[in-house]
Amino acid sequence: AQSVAQPEDQVNVAEGNPLTVKCTYSVSGNPYLFWYVQYPNRGLQFLLKYITGDNLVKGSYGFEAEFNKSQTSFHLKKPSALVSDSALYFCAVRDYDAGNMLTFGGGTRLMVKP
Amino acid sequence: KAGVTQTPRYLIKTRGQQVTLSCSPISGHRSVSWYQQTPGQGLQFLFEYFSETQRNKGNFPGRFSGRQFSNSRSEMNVSTLELGDSALYLCASSSGTVRMNTEAFFGQGTRLTVV
Repeated sequence: AQSVAQPEDQVNVAEGNPLTVKCTYSVSGNPYLFWYVQYPNRGLQFLLKYITGDNLVKGSYGFEAEFNKSQTSFHLKKPSALVSDSALYFCAVRDYDAGNMLTFGGGTRLMVKP
Repeated sequence: KAGVTQTPRYLIKTRGQQVTLSCSPISGHRSVSWYQQTPGQGLQFLFEYFSETQRNKGNFPGRFSGRQFSNSRSEMNVSTLELGDSALYLCASSSGTVRMNTEAFFGQGTRLTVV
């Protein structure tokens, strides 16, 4: 069975500084990894995905993620944080044997302070 | 292109009642999945439908059921509601057959409160 861990419940960063939201995963086969963001009272919004290829994946709103197979990690990054980036971020993994089912991490609340 | 539409946005029900939630996927998408989001348990997979067939099911009691219609719209039903069923229920649609490289698009959710 697959699993995802987001070790930090909350990440605080000052506006303009780089941010990192951590994610580690466990799957039996090849990992298919996703990042989603959730704003208050809203659904999940897709940010980026890793399927195969380059370990650095670029996504929406200036976010990128680095896939590291040896460390089984898929950390979300942004060079310069904005106050509007403050939200709840979820890492997810898809298992081929489970159809389109996504397994999510517990979420990390990102707080960007002016 | 319209996104995933979930109705209603908010519901208040009494313990013991049943409830039906609706989801209209993105046009052309044939896979619809449902998730339950609670502060304690996070996001948990309920079930997935593809071409009117349930393809996968999460670890939820039989009180939770769903179906998908020929136009890919989906409904989920919860019978004999319990207080613990209070949650945000999210629907997600994906394009085509099982292709691991397709991302899921989520609706805004239905907030169910059981009193």
